[in-house]
Amino acid sequence: NAGVTQTPKFQVLKTGQSMTLQCAQDMNHEYMSWYRQDPGMGLRLIHYSVGAGITDQGEVPNGYNVSRSTTEDFPLRLLSAAPSQTSVYFCASSFDSLGKLFFGSGTQLSVL
Amino acid sequence: GQSLEQPSEVTAVEGAIVQINCTYQTSGFYGLSWYQQHDGGAPTFLSYNALDGLEETGRFSSFLSRSDSYGYLLLQELQMKDSASYFCAVRDDKIIFGKGTRLHILP
Repeated sequence: NAGVTQTPKFQVLKTGQSMTLQCAQDMNHEYMSWYRQDPGMGLRLIHYSVGAGITDQGEVPNGYNVSRSTTEDFPLRLLSAAPSQTSVYFCASSFDSLGKLFFGSGTQLSVL
Repeated sequence: GQSLEQPSEVTAVEGAIVQINCTYQTSGFYGLSWYQQHDGGAPTFLSYNALDGLEETGRFSSFLSRSDSYGYLLLQELQMKDSASYFCAVRDDKIIFGKGTRLHILP
């Protein structure tokens, strides 16, 4: 099993560009989520999903869209990138409500 | 809403014991988790407490008091490789993290 796979690992964007961060898991997890991590701010929840076809907003959803058409995939879309979205992004999944999250390796995003 | 408070930094000596505290406020609660993150890496799961009391996993233990909305992570026999950031997280319908505690270990 590959676990949680995130792509790309690094990305540089110009202000106003759009892009999609990919996340896939092969553990048949129902719960998937996206976090951003900034120095001193910990991990902040952007969006999450408790199953295919169901998504909801987290703590910092503005500027981001998600969809969950399959159990395996949970892409994160930046509609119009801004310098404030420069961050490290982590995708994570969990089988049940016990709170054991499995994380992807992260995407370092810079918006110029 | 949800909020979690944990110290930003803790320093301890190699071989010693250190405790990292976490207090939380949440409208719903299923449990408290702890994660470790080394510089440049992804967080990895350490422990989970759904009920009051102590859970032990090797050198690491985690405690929860639901009535006090409080938990802690206890690390024993500290090793240099334990130098990392530690995050507590609460779960109701989503999982929210604290800002993390940076653990510095002195030789």
